[in-house]
Amino acid sequence: TQLLEQSPQFLSIQEGENLTVYCNSSSVFSSLQWYRQEPGEGPVLLVTVVTGGEVKKLKRLTFQFGDARKDSSLHITAAQPGDTGLYLCAGEWGKLIFGQGTELSVKP
Amino acid sequence: DAMVIQNPRYQVTQFGKPVTLSCSQTLNHNVMYWYQQKSSQAPKLLFHYYDKDFNNEADTPDNFQSRRPNTSFCFLDIRSPGLGDAAMYLCATSRVGGFAPNEKLFFGSGTQLSVL
Repeated sequence: TQLLEQSPQFLSIQEGENLTVYCNSSSVFSSLQWYRQEPGEGPVLLVTVVTGGEVKKLKRLTFQFGDARKDSSLHITAAQPGDTGLYLCAGEWGKLIFGQGTELSVKP
Repeated sequence: DAMVIQNPRYQVTQFGKPVTLSCSQTLNHNVMYWYQQKSSQAPKLLFHYYDKDFNNEADTPDNFQSRRPNTSFCFLDIRSPGLGDAAMYLCATSRVGGFAPNEKLFFGSGTQLSVL
């Protein structure tokens, strides 16, 4: 059974701080996606990474795919209250398998 | 403009009383999915349709059924809801399925189901 483990599960920080969340598995991914889900809404795709070692940036968000394609990280610089939400990684093994998510709360 | 629309946003049902959740899409995507998401947990795939072909996950209880009468609509039927079925139910679509690189899921806003 393919499992994706995300850490930390909960994160509460002040506006302006930096943070990193992690997504790890013992399996190799064909590709990996990061989604953000706001309370009461469905997840929205942020990025897809495909190549080992790949780094993608989306404004203050930096996504990295591990060289072995077994892990990924999301780094947020100067977090803002609007970044609050559930961040989900999802790996592709013929279907999309989600991690349990990191709940981020950014306080003003 | 919403592209994947789920109704209702909130649904309350009684223990054992059948309930149907609906999903419609304006994207003309081939694939439609139903996920169950409980609080602080990962979305769990229940089943999906590739066009008219139904694909059930092995661990999806028989209590959950689905119908896709046409490309645009898909329904989730829970025949006898139990307390453990209270969750957010998410509908999603994708263009071709198979999760080719850069294939993405488009999610609806979900239906929050409560079972009394």
